[in-house]
Amino acid sequence: DAGVIQSPRHEVTEMGQEVTLRCKPISGHDYLFWYRQTMMRGLELLIYFNNNVPIDDSGMPEDRFSAKMPNASFSTLKIQPSEPRDSAVYFCASRGERTGGNYGYTFGSGTRLTVV
Amino acid sequence: RKEVEQDPGPFNVPEGATVAFNCTYSNSASQSFFWYRQDCRKEPKLLMSVYSSGNEDGRFTAQLNRASQYISLLIRDSKLSDSATYLCVVMTNAGKSTFGDGTTLTVKP
Repeated sequence: DAGVIQSPRHEVTEMGQEVTLRCKPISGHDYLFWYRQTMMRGLELLIYFNNNVPIDDSGMPEDRFSAKMPNASFSTLKIQPSEPRDSAVYFCASRGERTGGNYGYTFGSGTRLTVV
Repeated sequence: RKEVEQDPGPFNVPEGATVAFNCTYSNSASQSFFWYRQDCRKEPKLLMSVYSSGNEDGRFTAQLNRASQYISLLIRDSKLSDSATYLCVVMTNAGKSTFGDGTTLTVKP
């Protein structure tokens, strides 16, 4: 199992540019989560999907952020236009439903975004 | 008040020491509980789930107190390799998880 795969690992972009982060969840997992981590705010849940459907996007900071999951094996998080305060590590995580069990997340390695 | 609160530490302990972390949560509808470990500049990784009856995995023991809404993690005979940030995670039945800000542990020789 290759785990959760995120790309790119690092992204440096100029303010105002569009940024697209990508995630491939673990095959068979039906939940996908996008988190953002900064020193100041810790790990923040941005949005999560169940069976490709967005369930809760209340953590998305503003309209500049959007996320899609067109199929069970791919999701994107887009920031347009990007701003320096968006600089953070963005993690994708997936989870499979297991009847009667506690089942934690598996995180990808993250995308370290720097907006200059 | 944050939904999940942890003592940020840092906890600095010598090798072989026993150290305990606590975490409190405010959502009484929370159903599942976990401890994650995060190394510097790495992703969080699941350390262990926390069951109502308490559970142990080698040197690690996790406990849950639903009445008081807190969970704990005990590390016995700490190793240098235990140095990391430990994140408390609380999940609702809807599948939404909230992470604490983490407790930093440094184990010294």
